[in-house]
Amino acid sequence: GAVVSQHPSWVICKSGTSVKIECRSLDFQATTMFWYRQFPKQSLMLMATSNEGSKATYEQGVEKDKFLINHASLTLSTLTVTSAHPEDSSFYICSVGGRNEQYFGPGTRLTVT
Amino acid sequence: AQSVTQPDIHITVSEGASLELRCNYSYGATPYLFWYVQSPGQGLQLLLKYFSGDTLVQGIKGFEAEFKRSQSSFNLRKPSVHWSDAAEYFCAVGTDSWGKLQFGAGTQVVVTP
Repeated sequence: GAVVSQHPSWVICKSGTSVKIECRSLDFQATTMFWYRQFPKQSLMLMATSNEGSKATYEQGVEKDKFLINHASLTLSTLTVTSAHPEDSSFYICSVGGRNEQYFGPGTRLTVT
Repeated sequence: AQSVTQPDIHITVSEGASLELRCNYSYGATPYLFWYVQSPGQGLQLLLKYFSGDTLVQGIKGFEAEFKRSQSSFNLRKPSVHWSDAAEYFCAVGTDSWGKLQFGAGTQVVVTP
């Protein structure tokens, strides 16, 4: 299966600042990547579909101006949380693959103080 | 609208005992169904999947699941649990051709000696 990495694995930032999270597909060329958010002891909620070379598609209720997604290559998608607030603190997970199987990154823990 | 329900938030089972995790789905077409496991500090790992064919699916780590269309269920089973099976288990349904997933709320499995 595909190997997916995320960087950083853990980040703390101050309220009002922006933070960028990288998702890399190490051995799979991904035209589509997905970004999920997982709050403590809760399920994964899809935030957006990242499309290589085009705009991301956001799920209902997700602010596209707050969660900026860039998918500039077949192996890299980035999620930037802009003007972060404590309520953005969460576990962010990306995935790549197709309909038959999705491969997940290890996740990035974001804490906004 | 599609939905995935995992009725049991938390299950405690003795090591060596059998385990069954319930999953019910609501989906208009033939569903692509998955079971993932999430261990602390690790990414989601696919246990098994069902698309079509034999309704009893074998997965990794000794897990199996049975698709029952009449009951809209895809329950996960293991005959004899090991302490290493303690984790969070998620049932998911594929909602598009790109691999977008909708997850259930998850079931936390605790294994006692």
